[in-house]
Amino acid sequence: SQQGEEDPQALSIQEGENATMNCSYKTSINNLQWYRQNSGRGLVHLILIRSNEREKHSGRLRVTLDTSKKSSSLLITASRAADTASYFCAPYPISSGSARQLTFGSGTQLTVLP
Amino acid sequence: EAGVAQSPRYKIIEKRQSVAFWCNPISGHATLYWYQQILGQGPKLLIQFQNNGVVDDSQLPKDRFSAERLKGVDSTLKIQPAKLEDSAVYLCASSLPRAPHEQFFGPGTRLTVL
Repeated sequence: SQQGEEDPQALSIQEGENATMNCSYKTSINNLQWYRQNSGRGLVHLILIRSNEREKHSGRLRVTLDTSKKSSSLLITASRAADTASYFCAPYPISSGSARQLTFGSGTQLTVLP
Repeated sequence: EAGVAQSPRYKIIEKRQSVAFWCNPISGHATLYWYQQILGQGPKLLIQFQNNGVVDDSQLPKDRFSAERLKGVDSTLKIQPAKLEDSAVYLCASSLPRAPHEQFFGPGTRLTVL
């Protein structure tokens, strides 16, 4: 399956703590993206990491990618209540044609307590 | 830059009724996607358009779901007749053809089938 699977399913932390979410996938990828979805809203693109990159930063976000293990992690540092949302990874496969789709797992529900 | 627009935001219908959703993608985005997101799950691709042509509709339940994108801009997704299990959020997304992995999502339409 091209689908990314996020782990854990749910995560609850205190404001100011760091949050780490993991993603595993099964196929060879061109890139992998992380999205955030606030309750009742659409998905918002957070960060994209290419297959030849190992780590990428964007503000309080840090993403790592290990293509040998087919896994990625998203770290949110110094979390805020506003970070409460569902987080999805979306691996983008190398294969050509219509098989190249974003396929989402069930996500990690992050709750940041004030 | 205006984002992806969707309407209505909420819809409640009874089973066996019909319903239609509308999407206006970001200007210049030739690729348009409809996703179904059931509560607690990630979005699942229903159909992908390139301009006004269908690229992939393999996961669209064609006995009751239909979609069109006349003139290659706006799109409508219709369910006729609706079933209880169609209760979900229907998300529209768009992207540039050269960057299909960079999708921009609308706020979604939350459908409740009673």
